[in-house]
Amino acid sequence: GESVGLHLPTLSVQEGDNSIINCAYSNSASDYFIWYKQESGKGPQFIIDIRSNMDKRQGQRVTVLLNKTVKHLSLQIAATQPGDSAVYFCAERDPGNTPLVFGKGTRLSVIA
Amino acid sequence: NAGVTQTPKFRVLKTGQSMTLLCAQDMNHEYMYWYRQDPGMGLRLIHYSVGEGTTAKGEVPDGYNVSRLKKQNFLLGLESAAPSQTSVYFCASSRTGHEQYFGPGTRLTVT
Repeated sequence: GESVGLHLPTLSVQEGDNSIINCAYSNSASDYFIWYKQESGKGPQFIIDIRSNMDKRQGQRVTVLLNKTVKHLSLQIAATQPGDSAVYFCAERDPGNTPLVFGKGTRLSVIA
Repeated sequence: NAGVTQTPKFRVLKTGQSMTLLCAQDMNHEYMYWYRQDPGMGLRLIHYSVGEGTTAKGEVPDGYNVSRLKKQNFLLGLESAAPSQTSVYFCASSRTGHEQYFGPGTRLTVT
């Protein structure tokens, strides 16, 4: 499959453990944040999003935490499965109707 | 409902050749985007459109042109391809400019 990032930070997690992927964002004016998952050879797929008036949002097996004080976003994946192996991207958007700005991504590797 | 589709899936060009990548979406989305993805660089925005007949430059627009003549289509053109344009190209669309839906990508090699 296509390699989407040869020099990305990598997180290795045992199957069944929880994963935490971190993202530092740069624009203190950003009011919308989103996480994507990209499997090898495929386009990015939406996981979960959060607006700046919230500090936590939960989905199915995933939780996003937002700390605006330190401009930090994290994605928590519960009971990590082999199918979770992928590159994960965070993105931010400011209120000025500008496009999303993507981070460089983190590769999650699940050890069976 | 096919979502976002991209044509072609793969292409090899010689330096100096031209080509057009087609992106189509059937979700009636206003916003459409073209990105390139290189190893270790994440997604970089080339051009985008906030509605039919509009286009705007992104982070890396040089060497590319776009057109949005119909709401459902967003075309990316390379007038004179260079090896530096070897990349994977992704199109995306969005209803509000927030959550974006991505296509499967076009893998372009310029020799």
